Amino acid sequence: GNSVTQMEGPVTLSEEAFLTINCTYTATGYPSLFWYVQYPGEGLQLLLKATKADDKGSNKGFEATYRKETTSFHLEKGSVQVSDSAVYFCALGVSMGSNYKLTFGKGTLLTVNP
Amino acid sequence: ETGVTQSPTHLIKTRGQQVTLRCSSQSGHNTVSWYQQALGQGPQFIFQYYREEENGRGNFPPRFSGLQFPNYSSELNVNALELDDSALYLCASSLASGRTYEQYFGPGTRLTVT
Repeated sequence: GNSVTQMEGPVTLSEEAFLTINCTYTATGYPSLFWYVQYPGEGLQLLLKATKADDKGSNKGFEATYRKETTSFHLEKGSVQVSDSAVYFCALGVSMGSNYKLTFGKGTLLTVNP
Repeated sequence: ETGVTQSPTHLIKTRGQQVTLRCSSQSGHNTVSWYQQALGQGPQFIFQYYREEENGRGNFPPRFSGLQFPNYSSELNVNALELDDSALYLCASSLASGRTYEQYFGPGTRLTVT
Protein backbone atom coordinates (compact mmCIF):
# COMPACT_ATOMS: atom_id res chain seq x y z
CA GLY A 1 0.00 0.00 0.00
CA ASN A 2 0.89 3.67 -0.01
CA SER A 3 2.76 5.22 2.89
CA VAL A 4 4.71 8.32 3.86
CA THR A 5 7.54 8.45 6.37
CA GLN A 6 8.77 11.79 7.60
CA MET A 7 11.38 12.97 10.00
CA GLU A 8 10.43 12.61 13.64
CA GLY A 9 10.17 15.82 15.54
CA PRO A 10 10.17 18.03 17.27
CA VAL A 11 12.63 20.24 15.43
CA THR A 12 13.81 23.39 17.20
CA LEU A 13 15.77 26.04 15.32
CA SER A 14 16.90 29.60 15.82
CA GLU A 15 15.60 32.31 13.53
CA GLU A 16 17.46 32.48 10.19
CA ALA A 17 18.68 28.87 10.48
CA PHE A 18 18.46 26.42 7.56
CA LEU A 19 15.59 23.93 7.67
CA THR A 20 15.36 20.42 6.26
CA ILE A 21 12.50 18.04 6.99
CA ASN A 22 12.99 14.65 5.39
CA CYS A 23 10.15 12.78 3.69
CA THR A 24 10.20 9.46 1.87
CA TYR A 25 7.30 7.57 0.36
CA THR A 26 6.14 4.21 -0.91
CA ALA A 27 3.49 4.18 -3.60
CA THR A 28 2.13 2.21 -6.48
CA GLY A 29 1.88 4.11 -9.72
CA TYR A 30 2.88 7.73 -10.05
CA PRO A 31 1.78 9.80 -7.09
CA SER A 32 1.75 13.54 -6.70
CA LEU A 33 3.54 14.86 -3.64
CA PHE A 34 2.54 17.62 -1.26
CA TRP A 35 3.61 19.50 1.84
CA TYR A 36 0.87 20.82 4.08
CA VAL A 37 1.32 23.09 7.12
CA GLN A 38 -0.90 23.22 10.20
CA TYR A 39 -0.71 26.20 12.52
CA PRO A 40 -1.93 25.78 16.12
CA GLY A 41 -5.69 25.34 16.31
CA GLU A 42 -6.17 25.46 12.55
CA GLY A 43 -6.77 23.11 9.64
CA LEU A 44 -4.22 22.17 7.00
CA GLN A 45 -2.94 24.60 4.40
CA LEU A 46 -1.33 23.47 1.17
CA LEU A 47 2.25 24.74 1.19
CA LEU A 48 3.61 23.33 -2.07
CA LYS A 49 3.24 20.45 -4.49
CA ALA A 50 4.99 18.51 -7.26
CA THR A 51 3.24 16.30 -9.77
CA LYS A 52 6.06 14.39 -11.50
CA ALA A 53 9.66 13.34 -11.09
CA ASP A 54 12.21 16.18 -10.88
CA ASP A 55 9.48 18.81 -10.38
CA LYS A 56 10.33 21.40 -7.76
CA GLY A 57 7.53 22.87 -5.69
CA SER A 58 8.10 26.20 -3.99
CA ASN A 59 6.18 28.71 -1.91
CA LYS A 60 6.99 31.32 0.75
CA GLY A 61 10.70 30.45 0.62
CA PHE A 62 10.07 26.71 1.09
CA GLU A 63 11.16 24.24 -1.59
CA ALA A 64 10.91 20.51 -2.22
CA THR A 65 12.01 18.40 -5.21
CA TYR A 66 10.28 15.20 -6.30
CA ARG A 67 13.05 12.59 -6.43
CA LYS A 68 11.75 9.37 -7.92
CA GLU A 69 15.10 7.55 -7.70
CA THR A 70 15.24 8.02 -3.92
CA THR A 71 11.43 8.19 -3.43
CA SER A 72 11.90 11.40 -1.49
CA PHE A 73 10.38 14.88 -1.21
CA HIS A 74 12.42 16.72 1.42
CA LEU A 75 11.25 20.16 2.55
CA GLU A 76 13.87 22.94 2.78
CA LYS A 77 14.01 26.60 3.66
CA GLY A 78 17.13 28.69 3.69
CA SER A 79 16.21 31.02 6.57
CA VAL A 80 13.34 30.23 8.91
CA GLN A 81 11.27 32.79 10.81
CA VAL A 82 9.42 32.58 14.10
CA SER A 83 6.17 32.65 12.09
CA ASP A 84 7.15 29.34 10.43
CA SER A 85 6.53 27.52 13.72
CA ALA A 86 3.89 24.89 12.91
CA VAL A 87 3.39 21.22 12.16
CA TYR A 88 4.44 20.16 8.65
CA PHE A 89 2.90 17.16 6.90
CA CYS A 90 4.23 15.39 3.85
CA ALA A 91 1.55 13.69 1.76
CA LEU A 92 1.15 11.74 -1.43
CA GLY A 93 -1.87 11.81 -3.69
CA VAL A 94 -3.00 8.97 -5.90
CA SER A 95 -5.71 8.79 -8.48
CA MET A 96 -8.95 7.24 -7.30
CA GLY A 97 -11.29 7.28 -10.22
CA SER A 98 -12.06 10.91 -10.94
CA ASN A 99 -10.23 12.33 -7.97
CA TYR A 100 -7.40 11.89 -5.54
CA LYS A 101 -6.87 10.34 -2.11
CA LEU A 102 -4.19 11.82 0.15
CA THR A 103 -1.97 9.70 2.41
CA PHE A 104 -0.18 11.71 5.10
CA GLY A 105 2.91 11.27 7.19
CA LYS A 106 2.69 11.71 10.96
CA GLY A 107 3.83 15.31 10.87
CA THR A 108 6.89 17.17 12.14
CA LEU A 109 6.57 19.92 14.73
CA LEU A 110 8.85 22.87 13.99
CA THR A 111 9.56 25.50 16.63
CA VAL A 112 11.59 28.56 15.65
CA ASN A 113 13.01 30.65 18.46
CA PRO A 114 13.89 34.35 18.12
CA GLU B 1 -14.12 33.24 -2.92
CA THR B 2 -15.48 31.46 0.16
CA GLY B 3 -13.22 28.84 1.72
CA VAL B 4 -14.15 25.52 3.28
CA THR B 5 -16.20 25.88 6.43
CA GLN B 6 -17.09 23.28 9.04
CA SER B 7 -19.53 23.15 11.91
CA PRO B 8 -19.56 22.84 14.79
CA THR B 9 -16.08 23.87 15.93
CA HIS B 10 -16.12 21.68 19.02
CA LEU B 11 -18.39 18.89 20.17
CA ILE B 12 -18.55 16.68 23.24
CA LYS B 13 -20.49 13.41 23.06
CA THR B 14 -20.94 10.34 25.21
CA ARG B 15 -19.91 6.86 24.16
CA GLY B 16 -22.70 5.15 22.23
CA GLN B 17 -24.24 8.37 20.94
CA GLN B 18 -24.44 9.50 17.33
CA VAL B 19 -22.94 12.66 15.83
CA THR B 20 -23.30 14.63 12.60
CA LEU B 21 -20.58 16.97 11.37
CA ARG B 22 -21.10 19.41 8.52
CA CYS B 23 -18.94 20.85 5.79
CA SER B 24 -19.48 23.50 3.14
CA SER B 25 -17.10 23.16 0.24
CA GLN B 26 -15.17 25.96 -1.41
CA SER B 27 -17.04 27.79 -4.13
CA GLY B 28 -16.73 25.95 -7.46
CA HIS B 29 -15.59 22.65 -5.92
CA ASN B 30 -17.59 19.46 -6.51
CA THR B 31 -15.77 16.88 -4.38
CA VAL B 32 -15.54 16.54 -0.62
CA SER B 33 -13.16 14.31 1.34
CA TRP B 34 -13.25 13.60 5.06
CA TYR B 35 -10.23 12.86 7.23
CA GLN B 36 -9.77 11.89 10.89
CA GLN B 37 -6.75 13.35 12.68
CA ALA B 38 -5.99 11.79 16.04
CA LEU B 39 -3.86 13.80 18.46
CA GLY B 40 -0.23 13.88 17.33
CA GLN B 41 -0.94 11.99 14.10
CA GLY B 42 -1.41 12.78 10.45
CA PRO B 43 -4.90 12.85 8.94
CA GLN B 44 -6.37 9.49 7.92
CA PHE B 45 -8.67 9.28 4.90
CA ILE B 46 -12.24 8.29 5.79
CA PHE B 47 -14.10 8.67 2.48
CA GLN B 48 -14.75 10.95 -0.45
CA TYR B 49 -17.95 12.13 -2.14
CA TYR B 50 -18.33 13.15 -5.75
CA ARG B 51 -21.65 13.93 -7.43
CA GLU B 52 -23.49 12.89 -4.28
CA GLU B 53 -22.01 9.38 -4.26
CA GLU B 54 -19.24 7.80 -2.22
CA ASN B 55 -16.12 7.75 -4.38
CA GLY B 56 -13.62 5.78 -2.32
CA ARG B 57 -13.31 4.79 1.32
CA GLY B 58 -10.47 4.30 3.76
CA ASN B 59 -10.15 1.72 6.52
CA PHE B 60 -13.10 2.88 8.63
CA PRO B 61 -16.10 0.80 9.77
CA PRO B 62 -19.61 1.24 8.34
CA ARG B 63 -20.72 3.24 11.37
CA PHE B 64 -18.90 6.10 9.65
CA SER B 65 -21.19 7.28 6.87
CA GLY B 66 -21.68 10.40 4.83
CA LEU B 67 -23.81 12.40 2.47
CA GLN B 68 -23.20 14.98 -0.19
CA PHE B 69 -25.93 17.40 -1.21
CA PRO B 70 -26.69 18.99 -4.59
CA ASN B 71 -24.89 22.15 -3.51
CA TYR B 72 -21.80 19.96 -2.80
CA SER B 73 -21.93 20.47 0.95
CA SER B 74 -21.47 17.31 2.98
CA GLU B 75 -22.18 15.58 6.26
CA LEU B 76 -20.19 13.00 8.19
CA ASN B 77 -22.23 10.79 10.51
CA VAL B 78 -20.75 8.55 13.15
CA ASN B 79 -22.96 6.07 14.99
CA ALA B 80 -22.28 4.21 18.24
CA LEU B 81 -19.45 6.53 19.23
CA GLU B 82 -16.37 5.00 20.82
CA LEU B 83 -13.69 6.69 22.92
CA ASP B 84 -11.18 6.24 20.08
CA ASP B 85 -13.37 8.37 17.82
CA SER B 86 -12.11 11.42 19.72
CA ALA B 87 -10.18 13.39 17.10
CA LEU B 88 -10.12 16.40 14.82
CA TYR B 89 -12.32 15.75 11.79
CA LEU B 90 -11.21 17.58 8.68
CA CYS B 91 -13.17 18.20 5.54
CA ALA B 92 -11.41 18.99 2.28
CA SER B 93 -12.93 20.14 -0.98
CA SER B 94 -11.51 19.89 -4.46
CA LEU B 95 -12.50 20.14 -8.08
CA ALA B 96 -12.51 16.94 -10.12
CA SER B 97 -11.39 18.39 -13.40
CA GLY B 98 -8.50 17.19 -15.52
CA ARG B 99 -5.39 17.16 -13.36
CA THR B 100 -6.65 19.60 -10.76
CA TYR B 101 -6.32 17.80 -7.49
CA GLU B 102 -5.40 20.23 -4.76
CA GLN B 103 -7.51 19.60 -1.69
CA TYR B 104 -8.40 22.62 0.42
CA PHE B 105 -9.06 21.94 4.07
CA GLY B 106 -11.48 23.45 6.52
CA PRO B 107 -10.53 24.33 10.11
CA GLY B 108 -11.93 21.05 11.42
CA THR B 109 -14.36 19.90 14.10
CA ARG B 110 -12.84 18.75 17.38
CA LEU B 111 -14.89 15.79 18.66
CA THR B 112 -14.43 14.56 22.21
CA VAL B 113 -16.10 11.29 23.25
CA THR B 114 -16.39 10.68 26.98
